[in-house]
Amino acid sequence: DIVVTQSPDSLAVSLGERATINCKSSQSVLYSSNNKNYLAWYQVKPGQPPKLLIYWASTRESGVPDRFSGSGSGTDFTLTISSLQAEDVAVYYCHHYYSIPPWTFGQGTKVEIK
Amino acid sequence: QVQLQQWGAGLLKPSETLSLTCEVYGGSLSGYYWTWIRQSPGKGLEWIGEINHSGSINHNPSLKSRVTISVDTSKNQFSLKMTSVTAADTAVYYCARWARQQVLNNYYYYGMDVWGQGTTVIVSS
Repeated sequence: DIVVTQSPDSLAVSLGERATINCKSSQSVLYSSNNKNYLAWYQVKPGQPPKLLIYWASTRESGVPDRFSGSGSGTDFTLTISSLQAEDVAVYYCHHYYSIPPWTFGQGTKVEIK
Repeated sequence: QVQLQQWGAGLLKPSETLSLTCEVYGGSLSGYYWTWIRQSPGKGLEWIGEINHSGSINHNPSLKSRVTISVDTSKNQFSLKMTSVTAADTAVYYCARWARQQVLNNYYYYGMDVWGQGTTVIVSS
């Protein structure tokens, strides 16, 4: 099984500042036949279901603010919130969907306001 | 706009069977994979399994022996059953749809884009 590990477990960022979350997979999730990285990012707020933010590692889901961006390839990925807003306080998860199940998630990164 | 509405018993005793159903509104089961995911208290997200409209199923091996996922196309519903529950199965359970995009004649699934509201399941004696 592919293990997905996030860092840090939590971070506190001032409003308007940049937040960066890292995700590392135990093996490459880049599919050579289509050159896509099978990795997504979700935002989870208390009492709400997860919300898909980013897929194919860097494609923003429709309606997601452009302050959210994803980057990386192979085994190392990053979710960046360029200018943290109060409504961005949440737990963020990366998720691999490469090849065959089981699909796994990172342990989550809690983002708070400093 | 597709929406998912889920329901099921929220309080179980150890050894009982968890049973949840998810109904698809505003769309069809056809052509998609439909999945169950849970979030345990203070823990992260765990994929349980998935099914498509024709009944093709994938399970998480860690839960496979206790999990049954089924689909009822006549009702536009899919369901989860988990036997012999313990306190470790206490969690919020979600149903969700795998998003897909078509490239030429192929479909590529890329994440879960539509979610149910979640069902809190507590296992306690």
